[in-house]
Parts: sequence; C-alpha cells; structure tokens
Amino acid sequence: IQLTQSPSLLSASVGDRVTLSCKGSQNINNYLAWYQQKLGEAPKLLIYKTNSLQTGIPSRFSGSGSGTDYTLTISSLHSEDLATYYCYQYNNGWTFGGGTKLELK
Amino acid sequence: EVQLVESGGGLVQPGRSLKLSCAASGFTFSNYYMAWVRQAPKKGLEWVATISTSGSRTYYPDSVKGRFTISRDNAKSSLYLQMNSLKSEDTATYYCARGLIMYTTDYPAYWGQGTLVTVSS
Repeated sequence: IQLTQSPSLLSASVGDRVTLSCKGSQNINNYLAWYQQKLGEAPKLLIYKTNSLQTGIPSRFSGSGSGTDYTLTISSLHSEDLATYYCYQYNNGWTFGGGTKLELK
Repeated sequence: EVQLVESGGGLVQPGRSLKLSCAASGFTFSNYYMAWVRQAPKKGLEWVATISTSGSRTYYPDSVKGRFTISRDNAKSSLYLQMNSLKSEDTATYYCARGLIMYTTDYPAYWGQGTLVTVSS
C-alpha cells in the first residue's frame, strides 16, 4: 500500500486549526498512525488505529478517517507543533507516507 | 522507562557489510515485535525490517530483501541488523523501534535516537 500525504508543505499561524491528509492506494482498514518528527529528533507516535491518542500526547491532536482517506487535525496550533508529520499503515505491509512539513506563516 | 540505544553505524564502502545493534531496556524485550526504520538525509521515513517476538518470523521490503537480515537475542535484550552488499542509497539514519502492543506487529511506538550509516567510497 502506498500512502500519499498532502500538502507536502503547510504554512499556518499559532492558534490555527490545521488539517493534514493521508490517502492510501488501497483500503487501510483503520490501521493508520500519525507521527511527529522535529528536526534532529526521532519520530514520536501521536495517533494510532486512526483516532487513538498515544499516552502523553496533547488532546489538541486528533485523527479520523476510514477506508483509504485519513486526517490528522490540530485544533489550535502551538509553536512547538512545528515539525514534519508522517502517516503510517500496517494493514498490508508497513508503509510511511512522504510527510507534511508544518511551518509558521 | 523504555530505552533503545542503537550502535554500529559509520562510514562503509559500497559492496561491504555492516552490522547494527540496538540495546533495549525498561521493558520485557521478548514480548514485543521490533523493527528497523531508516531515514535518508533530508528524506522521509522508510520501513526496513520487522521481527517477531521469538525471531521466527521476519519481514522486509523489496528494497533490502536478500541483503539485510534482522535478528534478535532475547536473553541480551538486543536487536540486530546485518546489512550486506551495501549501496549508496542505503545511506541513512537507522532507527530501532518497538511495537506498541505486546505479541503483535503494529505501530512503532518507541524509537531510539538512531545511528548514521554512510555508504561511500
């Protein structure tokens, strides 16, 4: 399964509601996760099984979707959320999306 | 606290071999699937290999199948990646990662800080 993330670059302001998209080439059956990676750091798991929040992750992060289309939403952008976000599926093999870089407008 | 510490990276010539190690602590290593994920410079993440709890099942993408071998030593709480016939496109930071839920392959939930492998003559 191939994962396509859009947009590849997103400019937003602190306080904005931000939506990132991930589309699979086949049905992912909700086995979809989201990761945050800051510069020079290892990725961090934010959301798993489409909409389950990993322990310690702020509630402003949420996930949704089904079938081939999934979304990560940040309800109110904080400056520390500036990072690259990757989606990941393991319904059929293991695949990461190409990433969405989130930057300050 | 879950800790994963990779080692073994470095500069290696094309066609040569290298073995990476990952020392795990803070959890019962033998209960979790483990994986290697890599990231080429300024590029995205790529899954490289996954191994079952006992080590009896291993999985690879086509890009490394037949060249890379993932293994584990549960007695030593250690994960390994033997990389043979290295190519320039294998240049990347290699991360060791632990699954989220015991006894099943799922999401890489805990990651080490990575070890850099540079393949160049």
